[in-house]
Amino acid sequence: SQTIHQWPATLVQPVGSPLSLECTVEGTSNPNLYWYRQAAGRGLQLLFYSVGIGQISSEVPQNLSASRPQDRQFILSSKKLLLSDSGFYLCAWVGQVNTEAFFGQGTRLTVV
Amino acid sequence: RKEVEQDPGPFNVPEGATVAFNCTYSNSASQSFFWYRQDCRKEPKLLMSVYSSGNEDGRFTAQLNRASQYISLLIRDSKLSDSATYLCAVTYSGNTGKLIFGQGTTLQVKP
Repeated sequence: SQTIHQWPATLVQPVGSPLSLECTVEGTSNPNLYWYRQAAGRGLQLLFYSVGIGQISSEVPQNLSASRPQDRQFILSSKKLLLSDSGFYLCAWVGQVNTEAFFGQGTRLTVV
Repeated sequence: RKEVEQDPGPFNVPEGATVAFNCTYSNSASQSFFWYRQDCRKEPKLLMSVYSSGNEDGRFTAQLNRASQYISLLIRDSKLSDSATYLCAVTYSGNTGKLIFGQGTTLQVKP
């Protein structure tokens, strides 16, 4: 069966520090992968998505970047965190067109 | 204009009530439509896909209106356990991979 791993579950980082969140998927090949951010009480904002290795589409210009070094690995990074980067970060995958998205358990990031 | 829009609510209803949510989308090339449920501080999970002919799953009914570019979710006989945030999601045709969510509608069912 397919599973998605996202870690860490919670993270507290100082302003100006770097960030690396990793997401890996098991049990499927060539998934579409997504990073979303959800601010408190708000909806899911699409940050990046990828349809294949090395293919990254960015939705919102910001202080973050994404990479897909392997088929089932998606990484969200920042060189210097801002207070506004705080939020609930969710990784998701879709196996084929028109099928549901499965989410990781999310990382709750607080920038202090 | 946002690509996918929902009324954030909250919708406060008594147990047993029928409640309906709408979600509008701006891109006519949108291909697939979904409703997700998100509990507080948890990840979203698929509630149901939305098909052109409409579909029903127990107390939940989803409908698509392509002409007016909206989808709807109807919940009958609301239960306390239905309290959650309901998110609509839209993908675009051509396997661009883009999957957009609305901001969610919060439902609170009260005894």
